Amino acid sequence: GAVVSQHPSWVICKSGTSVKIECRSLDFQATTMFWYRQFPKQSLMLMATSNEGSKATYEQGVEKDKFLINHASLTLSTLTVTSAHPEDSSFYICSARQGVGHNSPLHFGNGTRLTVT
Amino acid sequence: SQKIEQNSEALNIQEGKTATLTCNYTNYSPAYLQWYRQDPGRGPVFLLLIRENEKEKRKERLKVTFDTTLKQSLFHITASQPADSATYLCALPFSGGYNKLIFGAGTRLAVHP
Repeated sequence: GAVVSQHPSWVICKSGTSVKIECRSLDFQATTMFWYRQFPKQSLMLMATSNEGSKATYEQGVEKDKFLINHASLTLSTLTVTSAHPEDSSFYICSARQGVGHNSPLHFGNGTRLTVT
Repeated sequence: SQKIEQNSEALNIQEGKTATLTCNYTNYSPAYLQWYRQDPGRGPVFLLLIRENEKEKRKERLKVTFDTTLKQSLFHITASQPADSATYLCALPFSGGYNKLIFGAGTRLAVHP
């Protein structure tokens, strides 16, 4: 159980275009999902907390107008990278908790490799 | 601000030996700590959680210790196998919001036959 599916697994786009990444919890409901970004050989950096039915909470330094997050249902959160630039190229990973306790483990999707040319 | 440090150098060990990975943290007293495994190009997978009042936790060949005085957690894999080769990440709850996790950079483990 506790499967998180992320799509697409990789995407190449041109500079200036927008890219949407989907994150779905397949067998559980997730009121909260988390979006991380990871550069090669670096740690996962939390970008934002996605809350079902309300606005996302962004971490310091993350532009909310550039990284649009929508959490329209208990099983789906989307991250849209708007007006992408080469420096946005990275590995984006979503996660969700199955349990309600704050110490419940995070279940991660398999990530999306974004390359902006 | 809170900081997590994991040995950035890869750990190379021989099959059958015990691998020991270290996670140190500063400026914080977390209520718990988690360990994850990440394979190349994949999302992390949860392995173990240890709470601040627990000294040690075991799961099959895995063992985690938590020393709140030293602000350190050790992650052991006994009888290591080549299939254990991966990057191992430790994670702590954000000091400002327990719902969020902050991750260390991870230590890459390579188990050689």
